[in-house]
Amino acid sequence: EVQLVESGGGLVQPGGSLRLSCEVSGFTFSDHYMDWVRQAPGKGLEWVARSRNKANSYTTEYAASVKGRFTISRDDSKNSLYLQMSSLKTEDTAVYYCARLRMADSGYYFDYWGQGTLVTVSS
Amino acid sequence: DIQMTQSPSTLSASVGDRVTITCRASQSLTNWLAWYQQKPGKAPKLLIYKASSLESGVPSRFSGSVSGTEFTLSISSLQPDDFATYYCHQYNSYPVTFGQGTKLEIK
Repeated sequence: EVQLVESGGGLVQPGGSLRLSCEVSGFTFSDHYMDWVRQAPGKGLEWVARSRNKANSYTTEYAASVKGRFTISRDDSKNSLYLQMSSLKTEDTAVYYCARLRMADSGYYFDYWGQGTLVTVSS
Repeated sequence: DIQMTQSPSTLSASVGDRVTITCRASQSLTNWLAWYQQKPGKAPKLLIYKASSLESGVPSRFSGSVSGTEFTLSISSLQPDDFATYYCHQYNSYPVTFGQGTKLEIK
């Protein structure tokens, strides 16, 4: 059974830092691209960042709203994905989901999601 | 960035109704579009990929179609479990983007 479990959320002051983790099981983590997607309270879904797999040199992509402040990384030996967030702003308040991408002839889209971890940026 | 305009934002319907949700893309997606269902406090669930391919395990009352840059999610006969929020998602190009969501409510 595929499982993704996020952790590390909490309350942080504006300008602060936080590191989110996503531990996965039930599939070969190293084969897959992995993303972070967030959802502000009562709002829609917003893509945050992507980590490609080893075969694609672990390259990364970021949304413009977080580029230069957030860093996505992974440790295939620990089946874990991370999101290091710094210079946090109140508008970064959201539930953060890690999501696995299915890579097929039909493109790269999300097929499994974690339960999410809430990040609240407030003084 | 590709903008996804989803409508309606809210839809009231009854059990047994047929409903349709639309997403219009600001440019061609080559059918690289997915639909997700989200219930309160839960993660999104994949329903449809590549515009019209039904995800394994998803009931056949859900279907997707496309005409140019307009994508449609249809539910043929609403069941109580279908009342949720639905999102379209384009994965044609970076940054990948989502529609604003459609909340399907019980009339």
